Amino acid sequence: GQNIDQPTEMTATEGAIVQINCTYQTSGFNGLFWYQQHAGEAPTFLSYNVLDGLEEKGRFSSFLSRSKGYSYLLLKELQMKDSASYLCAVSGTYKYIFGTGTRLKVLA
Amino acid sequence: DTGVSQDPRHKITKRGQNVTFRCDPISEHNRLYWYRQTLGQGPEFLTYFQNEAQLEKSRLLSDRFSAERPKGSFSTLEIQRTEQGDSAMYLCASSYSRANNEQFFGPGTRLTVL
Repeated sequence: GQNIDQPTEMTATEGAIVQINCTYQTSGFNGLFWYQQHAGEAPTFLSYNVLDGLEEKGRFSSFLSRSKGYSYLLLKELQMKDSASYLCAVSGTYKYIFGTGTRLKVLA
Repeated sequence: DTGVSQDPRHKITKRGQNVTFRCDPISEHNRLYWYRQTLGQGPEFLTYFQNEAQLEKSRLLSDRFSAERPKGSFSTLEIQRTEQGDSAMYLCASSYSRANNEQFFGPGTRLTVL
């Protein structure tokens, strides 16, 4: 079957670092994406990994291990505006499978 | 180009009615996707077009759902004989096959079936 698991909720403090994990089992793999979604809005692209390793983009980094079916999104220097849902998605041949999202609350 | 647009943004209908949603992708994007999202869940894949060809359709999609992309540009999603369980946000996304396949999402159409 196809499955993506990520924690439902996380809480962190402004200025801190948080790591959101994602594990996946899919029948095809053409890349792993992370999206940010604020309440009531559409998802917006954060990062893309197709090879093993770390991709860094400003305050956000994403890691992939294909052999372990594992990825994480690292957010540094957290800001209040980072409070949102973070969606892990795996791209197959044609379609994407999304996780249920991790709701991150950043506290002052 | 102002991004992916969807129309209408909100739709309230009575059970049993048919509804149609429209999506206009980013102009140079050849791939178009429809998703359904309910509260607290991630987007659920419905169907995928490359140009005008519908290449994949979710098995979760009943025969009441149909989508078209007649000229490889805009797309429509029709739901016939709506049910209360169809109430959700319907998201459209587009991407370009020669890029990393990053999807750009539209603002969504929120459907409420009474």
